[in-house]
Amino acid sequence: EIVLTQSPGTLSLSPGQRATLSCRASQSIIISNLAWYQQKSGQAPRLLIYGASSRASGIPDRFSGSGSGTDFTLTIDRLEPEDFAVYYCQQYDNSPPLFTFGPGTTVDIK
Amino acid sequence: QVQLQASGPGLVKPSETLSLTCTVSGTYISYHYWSWIRQPQGKGLEWIGHISDTGSTYYNPSLMGRATISLVPPKNQFSLKLSSVAAADTAIYYCAKKGGGGFCSGGSCHDYYHMDVWGKGTTVTVSS
Repeated sequence: EIVLTQSPGTLSLSPGQRATLSCRASQSIIISNLAWYQQKSGQAPRLLIYGASSRASGIPDRFSGSGSGTDFTLTIDRLEPEDFAVYYCQQYDNSPPLFTFGPGTTVDIK
Repeated sequence: QVQLQASGPGLVKPSETLSLTCTVSGTYISYHYWSWIRQPQGKGLEWIGHISDTGSTYYNPSLMGRATISLVPPKNQFSLKLSSVAAADTAIYYCAKKGGGGFCSGGSCHDYYHMDVWGKGTTVTVSS
């Protein structure tokens, strides 16, 4: 089973700053199988990035994803007040079929 | 616009079977893959399993065979049954739709695997 590790656990930043979130996999992942989600308190997760770098519909361009192999990054340029939330990476393994999520990174207001 | 709504009993007794339904609007269940994901309060996300457009199912091995996902085409719904529940099954349960599409590179093609639409979630507590 592929295990995802996210760092840091918590990122304390101010509005307007850049956030850089890391997701590391225990084995190499096909980029089509890596996604990022945002979850605000009391809400369902929302898809931000799929295929490691493609923005989902309606997602502002200050969100970007990159990476390959075992190391992936979510970058949020110029944090807006509504961006303070928990962010999860997710991967899918084809054999056997299994989605797994990272433990999450909390981006909170400094 | 695709929307999902999970529903079911909010309280289930230990050792009984949890039954949830996800009602889909804006698309047909026969067109996509559908997942159940759960999240204990204050904790991370755990994928339970998914069902394909043709009814094939795949489950998280961590559930030890207790989960069953089914399509209910006449009602445009899909369901989750989780047997022999215990306190550890207390969580918010989300239903979600797998996103489509894919890409080709270097002579091979790959489907995308992510959940692009999520329902609001329904809280299930296991307690006597």
